[in-house]
Amino acid sequence: QSALTQPPSASGSPGQSVTISCTGTSRDVGSYTFVSWYQQHPGKAPKLIIYEVKKRPSGVPDRFSGSKSGNTASLTVSGLQPDDEGDYYCTSYAGSNTVVFGGGTRLTVL
Amino acid sequence: QVQLVQSGAEVKKPGSSVKVSCEASGGSFSTYGISWVRQAPGQGLEWMGGIIPLFGTTTYAQKFQGRVTFTTDKSAITGYMEVTGLRSEDTAVYYCARNVVVTGIPGYFDFWGQGTLVTVSS
Repeated sequence: QSALTQPPSASGSPGQSVTISCTGTSRDVGSYTFVSWYQQHPGKAPKLIIYEVKKRPSGVPDRFSGSKSGNTASLTVSGLQPDDEGDYYCTSYAGSNTVVFGGGTRLTVL
Repeated sequence: QVQLVQSGAEVKKPGSSVKVSCEASGGSFSTYGISWVRQAPGQGLEWMGGIIPLFGTTTYAQKFQGRVTFTTDKSAITGYMEVTGLRSEDTAVYYCARNVVVTGIPGYFDFWGQGTLVTVSS
């Protein structure tokens, strides 16, 4: 089970949009709609922000959106706010009841 | 709304074992799964495996097979993770997370515990 590939860092100014990619293979991201995204602030537990590629849990602003094309999923954060700063992780179902995480992306709001 | 409450921090000697608990306050895991995720200092999240009480299935990530055991109590309110043969590299924060199961598949993690720091040091 190899980790999904995310860029180590991303950044944008307040109000701008930023997109974070998550590249897997045909055995995980490419085969299933069970791609989810988590936001983690320093010293805190992760928080679900996108599930099943593009669905948002109740309470998550619509500034967060998800998509998928082939073996790559993407998270877009629009209208960047200072509180969006943190680490973002993607996950995908990988078959046989297994899950794989991405390496994480640190988002900086300039 | 369910809250996952984990047991407190542990300091262990190399070669020993640790057992971490995760209680679903205000709910249970009966129709969900419990996954365990660890985060070494300054590192990313790593899925260790999970258990789905409804189906009686337990899955371990290849890296942890043979050293980790997941269980739940009969009421499926509390989940447990035991790690044996601890090494310094096992020093990490261990999280439990509730898995929403979709058509038998552990789809995503909707609630997380607060994390348990396990320090392995001689």
